[in-house]
Amino acid sequence: AQTVTQSQPEMSVQEAETVTLSCTYDTSESDYYLFWYKQPPSRQMILVIRQEAYKQQNATENRFSVNFQKAAKSFSLKISDSQLGDAAMYFCAYRRTGNQFYFGTGTSLTVIP
Amino acid sequence: EADIYQTPRYLVIGTGKKITLECSQTMGHDKMYWYQQDPGMELHLIHYSYGVNSTEKGDLSSESTVSRIRTEHFPLTLESARPSHTSQYLCASSEPAGATNEKLFFGSGTQLSVL
Repeated sequence: AQTVTQSQPEMSVQEAETVTLSCTYDTSESDYYLFWYKQPPSRQMILVIRQEAYKQQNATENRFSVNFQKAAKSFSLKISDSQLGDAAMYFCAYRRTGNQFYFGTGTSLTVIP
Repeated sequence: EADIYQTPRYLVIGTGKKITLECSQTMGHDKMYWYQQDPGMELHLIHYSYGVNSTEKGDLSSESTVSRIRTEHFPLTLESARPSHTSQYLCASSEPAGATNEKLFFGSGTQLSVL
C-alpha cells in the first residue's frame, strides 16, 4: 500500500520569506507521479506543482519548486517570496501510472504580514 | 469556462434523510472521483468512475452510492443520513488513465452536517 506522510500539520512564514513543506511517501514502484495541491479556505483545491519520478530535474513553477529525493522518498515544496495569497492547506499526493491518487494529511500554511 | 461544479456548498440535514450531492464537470473527463475529507486527515477515496456506467468503491468504506449515467454527471447519494456522515465531500475529475499530463481537478466541495 502506498502512504503519504506530511509531518508538519501547521507552518508559518513571514511575507516575502521562503518556507519549505515536507512530504515523504512509501512505495515499491519506480514509475510514479508526485503532486502538491493547494486548498485555500473555502475554495477549490488546485494543483501547484507536479513531478514525474523518472525525471531527475526538480520541477519549478514560478515561486514554487520541489526538492525530489527519489532514494529517500522525499518530496518537499519550497515557496519563495511568500505572499498572503499563499495561505492555504497544502496536500502532497502520490499516484502510480493509471492508478488512484493518495493524499497526505495536509499542512496548514499561515503567511504573516 | 471548463470547470467542475458541486452543489450544494453547505448542507445541514436531520438524521434519516435521503440526500444527493451533485457533481458536474464540463471538461469531458472520463475519470471522476469522490473523496471524503475530515479536518487533519488525508483525503479518502470513497468512489470513482472510469466512464459512463462504470463505478467502483474506493479505499474507504462508505454507505453512499454513486451513479454515472452521463459523462459529465457523477452524483453521490446517501439513502439515510447519520451524524457519522458529517464531513466534507470533494468531487474531482481527471484526464484518462495513462495521459502524461493527468492531474486532478477538484470541485469546491460540499460540507455536510447531519444532526
